[in-house]
Amino acid sequence: DTAVSQTPKYLVTQMGNDKSIKCEQNLGHDTMYWYKQDSKKFLKIMFSYNNKELIINETVPNRFSPKSPDKAHLNLHINSLELGDSAVYFCATSAGSTDTQYFGPGTRLTVL
Amino acid sequence: AQKITQTQPGMFVQEKEAVTLDCTYDTSDQSYGLFWYKQPSSGEMIFLIYQGSYDEQNATEGRYSLNFQKARKSANLVISASQLGDSAMYFCAMKKGYSSASKIIFGSGTRLSIRP
Repeated sequence: DTAVSQTPKYLVTQMGNDKSIKCEQNLGHDTMYWYKQDSKKFLKIMFSYNNKELIINETVPNRFSPKSPDKAHLNLHINSLELGDSAVYFCATSAGSTDTQYFGPGTRLTVL
Repeated sequence: AQKITQTQPGMFVQEKEAVTLDCTYDTSDQSYGLFWYKQPSSGEMIFLIYQGSYDEQNATEGRYSLNFQKARKSANLVISASQLGDSAMYFCAMKKGYSSASKIIFGSGTRLSIRP
């Protein structure tokens, strides 16, 4: 029973297209995140939601729009995809006093 | 500003030896948490161990221990009796305070390769 799941696992698309990545968690955690890992493996937070409310919004182009329909889901929609958007996108959740992040399996996005 | 530094881009270690992965951090806050994650070649991010800034004892989880030296601002990961399955990227991370509004920042990672 997967704790944090993401779909799709791989996404290959053309420049200019719009695409979405979905994330679902069954851990009952209040906080969910989107991270981007670039080709050099550098991992950086993009967004964070707590109880469906946006609480962290890093300097991310407004082509990226997260949406949290409920506490168990956090989706990422990307408009007008660019070559530089190619990366692995991770969803994560956290709870408790330590706020330990539990990651999904990642979505590898390739923009051609 | 917070910063995490991992100075070893890559390391090779013989199987069954112990290995220390270095991590130093920079923060002016008194309250913070330190994490280590493992990313095998399959790509998933696996949580290994956590150390709070007020914890007096070094954290341990099975073969993993965190050598926390607060005055030096270092949080090195020690893996005892390394195994072939330990070959992976390892990331050190830090979170300021305990608010959900506080983000976690990650170091650049160390690629560990275990030789049979």
